[in-house]
Amino acid sequence: DAGVTQSPTHLIKTRGQQVTLRCSPKSGHDTVSWYQQALGQGPQFIFQYYEEEERQRGNFPDRFSGHQFPNYSSELNVNALLLGDSALYLCASSPGLAVIQETQYFGPGTRLLVL
Amino acid sequence: AQSVSQHNHHVILSEAASLELGCNYSYGGTVNLFWYVQYPGQHLQLLLKYFSGDPLVKGIKGFEAEFIKSKFSFNLRKPSVQWSDTAEYFCAVNEEYGGSQGNLIFGKGTKLSVKP
Repeated sequence: DAGVTQSPTHLIKTRGQQVTLRCSPKSGHDTVSWYQQALGQGPQFIFQYYEEEERQRGNFPDRFSGHQFPNYSSELNVNALLLGDSALYLCASSPGLAVIQETQYFGPGTRLLVL
Repeated sequence: AQSVSQHNHHVILSEAASLELGCNYSYGGTVNLFWYVQYPGQHLQLLLKYFSGDPLVKGIKGFEAEFIKSKFSFNLRKPSVQWSDTAEYFCAVNEEYGGSQGNLIFGKGTKLSVKP
């Protein structure tokens, strides 16, 4: 049973560019959440997708956008990259938004470096 | 805004020492509580969780945590640490949002270094 997978593992971009990160949830999970983990910090919630719609959003600018596909996989897009966007981007999946007492399972992350 | 505080940034212990990592949260409603661990070079893994019931919960690898509602705390403990417990530990709170699962709010993490 594959866990949460993310691609790519590492990425280097320059300021102003755009980036797309990808996530496949754990088998049987339909809810995907994205987090940003800056160096030395805990993960910060970006947004959550369920039934191909953004359901919740954290305190991130509109430059951060996402998408969920019918197979529950998800993409995170960041436009107009800033140096401060350098971080580890984590995807987490869980089985069902309406299931309150459930656990989020995390992928290995994509490490983004903006130069 | 809801927040999670982890009191120790870096803890250094010798093997066989006892461990207690502090965690406090600010949200007053119904919450679910988690401890995640990130071993060097690995992804975040669930250590233990509290949803309801017995406030003393046991997790993997001999870890346990106690939920004290009156203190808004969820401290992590282990009676005797091993070198392999060297990792970063994150406390997280998941608040119920409109009757469904909310996002996780994490503390800044505590690095644990265990000397052999």
